[in-house]
Amino acid sequence: AQKVTQAQTEISVVEKEDVTLDCVYETRDTTYYLFWYKQPPSGELVFLIRRNSFDEQNEISGRYSWNFQKSTSSFNFTITASQVVDSAVYFCALRNQTGANNLFFGTGTRLTVIP
Amino acid sequence: NAGVTQTPKFRILKIGQSMTLQCTQDMNHNYMYWYRQDPGMGLKLIYYSVGAGITDKGEVPNGYNVSRSTTEDFPLRLELAAPSQTSVYFCASSRRDPNSNQPQHFGDGTRLSIL
Repeated sequence: AQKVTQAQTEISVVEKEDVTLDCVYETRDTTYYLFWYKQPPSGELVFLIRRNSFDEQNEISGRYSWNFQKSTSSFNFTITASQVVDSAVYFCALRNQTGANNLFFGTGTRLTVIP
Repeated sequence: NAGVTQTPKFRILKIGQSMTLQCTQDMNHNYMYWYRQDPGMGLKLIYYSVGAGITDKGEVPNGYNVSRSTTEDFPLRLELAAPSQTSVYFCASSRRDPNSNQPQHFGDGTRLSIL
């Protein structure tokens, strides 16, 4: 079975603070893919990053960074120097290489950045 | 630069009515998906298609039907609307994806209320 858990339902930070969004996943597949999507107040889903299970290198893109650790089945997302525009719901998602071609989503973390 | 386009954006239906949610993409993507997002939850897959003429069930297909007569279009039909189908519906598409690692591109969503 596959499952994605985002234990943090809501987080509030003051602008310029750093914030980490947690994601823990479960899967029996040895090859799988992890994603982060952003859903701003306007409602659309925006793809942020994809990580393959066989590539544990962490990644940095501007103020965003991702920490993938297979040993703890976690794929955490850190925003450095948060901005008001970062306010959104963030979803972590898992996709197995086998089975149906769908993403298994976590329940999301609502991030509010206070000016 | 349209991407994935969903219509309508909002709709209110009475119980027992039927309607079709439209989805079209202009990226020549083979794979298309329909998800529903209930309040405070992640997305769940309803149906997906890996190409014209091919569709398959996702996690929550009951009460819905789909067709894929062209690469561009993937309409979702509700035959007998029920209150449990009140949700936000997202259509998505991705490139041909034998390794399950292509990001999905989402439309802006259709907010559907059944009263």
